[in-house]
Amino acid sequence: KQEVTQIPAALSVPEGENLVLNCSFTDSAIYNLQWFRQDPGKGLTSLLLIQSSQREQTSGRLNASLDKSSGRSTLYIAASQPGDSATYLCAVGTGTASKLTFGTGTRLQVTL
Amino acid sequence: DAGVTQSPTHLIKTRGQQVTLRCSPKSGHDTVSWYQQALGQGPQFIFQYYEEEERQRGNFPDRFSGHQFPNYSSELNVNALLLGDSALYLCASSWGALAGVQETQYFGPGTRLLVL
Repeated sequence: KQEVTQIPAALSVPEGENLVLNCSFTDSAIYNLQWFRQDPGKGLTSLLLIQSSQREQTSGRLNASLDKSSGRSTLYIAASQPGDSATYLCAVGTGTASKLTFGTGTRLQVTL
Repeated sequence: DAGVTQSPTHLIKTRGQQVTLRCSPKSGHDTVSWYQQALGQGPQFIFQYYEEEERQRGNFPDRFSGHQFPNYSSELNVNALLLGDSALYLCASSWGALAGVQETQYFGPGTRLLVL
């Protein structure tokens, strides 16, 4: 059974700081890994999708890496802003039916 | 281009009642997945529909059932509601569910269900 863990559970940083969110998964037989953002009481917004054959993906100030063999992914956020405050969820895609298995998220607060 | 839409946005029910939640996928998508997200937790996969059939199911009881219509929209039905069914129910759409085709999944805003 695939299990996804995210560390830390919560993080508070001052504006402008670079930060790293961690995600680990137990079964390396994944199709892809996706990072999402969730604002309080809202749905999920896809940030980055890394296919299993890729090592990293970049979008603006965000960079996600994937090490499938070790079961790890990191989300790097450069020059953090108060608008980045949200919960960040990592999810791995497995099976032929695009099933996503999620971690419990990292709640990020960026302070002024 | 409308994204994934869900209705209703909020719902209050009492134990034992039945509920139907609705989802319209993003334009061009043919696959709909449903997830349950309890407070403070990550979403849990309920099931996925493709070509009007349930393709894969997570660890949820038979009280949870669904349907997909020819226009790809979908319904999630929950019977005999329990207090523990209170959660945010998320619908996600994507294109292609065969042979490991894996695309970005787009999520709707969710339906918040409260069972009293």
